[in-house]
Amino acid sequence: DQQVKQNSPSLSVQEGRISILNCDYTNSMFDYFLWYKKYPAEGPTFLISISSIKDKNEDGRFTVFLNKSAKHLSLHIVPSQPGDSAVYFCAASGGVDSSYKLIFGSGTRLLVRP
Amino acid sequence: GAVVSQHPSRVICKSGTSVKIECRSLDFQATTMFWYRQFPKQSLMLMATSNEGSKATYEQGVEKDKFLINHASLTLSTLTVTSAHPEDSSFYICSARVGLRNSPLHFGNGTRLTVT
Repeated sequence: DQQVKQNSPSLSVQEGRISILNCDYTNSMFDYFLWYKKYPAEGPTFLISISSIKDKNEDGRFTVFLNKSAKHLSLHIVPSQPGDSAVYFCAASGGVDSSYKLIFGSGTRLLVRP
Repeated sequence: GAVVSQHPSRVICKSGTSVKIECRSLDFQATTMFWYRQFPKQSLMLMATSNEGSKATYEQGVEKDKFLINHASLTLSTLTVTSAHPEDSSFYICSARVGLRNSPLHFGNGTRLTVT
């Protein structure tokens, strides 16, 4: 049972354009959402997060949007740069589990073309 | 920022042997660490939650006798893959949280385990 889903395995965009990565979740108890960037043979690097009390959080070129009614979040990168090429994972936590472990989606491989 | 160090980065071992992976929080104390594994082109799957001074909490389907976790101090957790088999070959990553509940996990750089 996948609680966090990223339905697009890959995305290719032109440098300078907007990249939009999507993520859906099924557990209504999740109250904290994160995006991570990962290169091969490295651990994930934290990018940006959002609490369920907000619907938008912005940090430089990265903006995360949360639609609780649709159980959907998205990461917008604008403008996209070749260095953004990596695998992006969304993750969620919350609920009755006090450890607040993160559950990850399957990832989306982003390629930014020069 | 918070740094999580993982060692070794790569290990090759023979089937039947055991391998220990160390995870250290370098500039903060971590009462809880999380161990993940990732198969090629797949997601990060949580294996267990490592609790300082107490037993680890394993996710469903993860054999606790196979994957021994010890969290002896606030800065060190170890994962031992016992009697490794080729199907245990994977990328193992540890993580820790600096703050309480809703704050990001910081990840180590992972350990690539290959069992021959």
